[in-house]
Amino acid sequence: SQQGEEDPQALSIQEGENATMNCSYKTSINNLQWYRQNSGRGLVHLILIRSNEREKHSGRLRVTLDTSKKSSSLLITASRAADTASYFCATDPGYQKVTFGTGTKLQVIP
Amino acid sequence: EAGVAQSPRYKIIEKRQSVAFWCNPISGHATLYWYQQILGQGPKLLIQFQNNGVVDDSQLPKDRFSAERLKGVDSTLKIQPAKLEDSAVYLCASSSPDRATDTQYFGPGTRLTVL
Repeated sequence: SQQGEEDPQALSIQEGENATMNCSYKTSINNLQWYRQNSGRGLVHLILIRSNEREKHSGRLRVTLDTSKKSSSLLITASRAADTASYFCATDPGYQKVTFGTGTKLQVIP
Repeated sequence: EAGVAQSPRYKIIEKRQSVAFWCNPISGHATLYWYQQILGQGPKLLIQFQNNGVVDDSQLPKDRFSAERLKGVDSTLKIQPAKLEDSAVYLCASSSPDRATDTQYFGPGTRLTVL
């Protein structure tokens, strides 16, 4: 079963714009992770935020977590064509068993 | 460091045939996962190993799927007999016992088409 639901399912933006995608989940978590998947490839880990953290940055990525609302958002600033990919949130209840969401398909137009 | 290796990359079979996938995790990673990713969906965990023991196989269709991780290193996933709905990408991932990172490293996947 899918724990997380990403929103929107698909997003198309111009290069240089910011992209925001959201993830909602149902049960308590120890941490939440975001992964990227380029077409036809495996997933690549982007960033992990723990349940006691509210915001985390990594390069052009900014992740927020609101455990009271059971939601997280991923912001990619100054997007590039190379950011075109599917993005998945994954929730971990605390024993390295992550459950992936349904994904947001991002297209960045040059 | 070498990444997670998977083979084959692509496989086409007819329904009711058997197929096997192989995964070699990153050296030293105790935890190994097999996921099934159907087109347009997120990966679904099939089985999780800790060394050579099974931690979770609750979503593995055990009437047709089997997996093993002999000696706690590489692993094979088998489907016998295959159904049309098994068409998907099968992803293998591994993670370190270092709980500080909790990061999974994924292989490139095996794309299975069942005709």
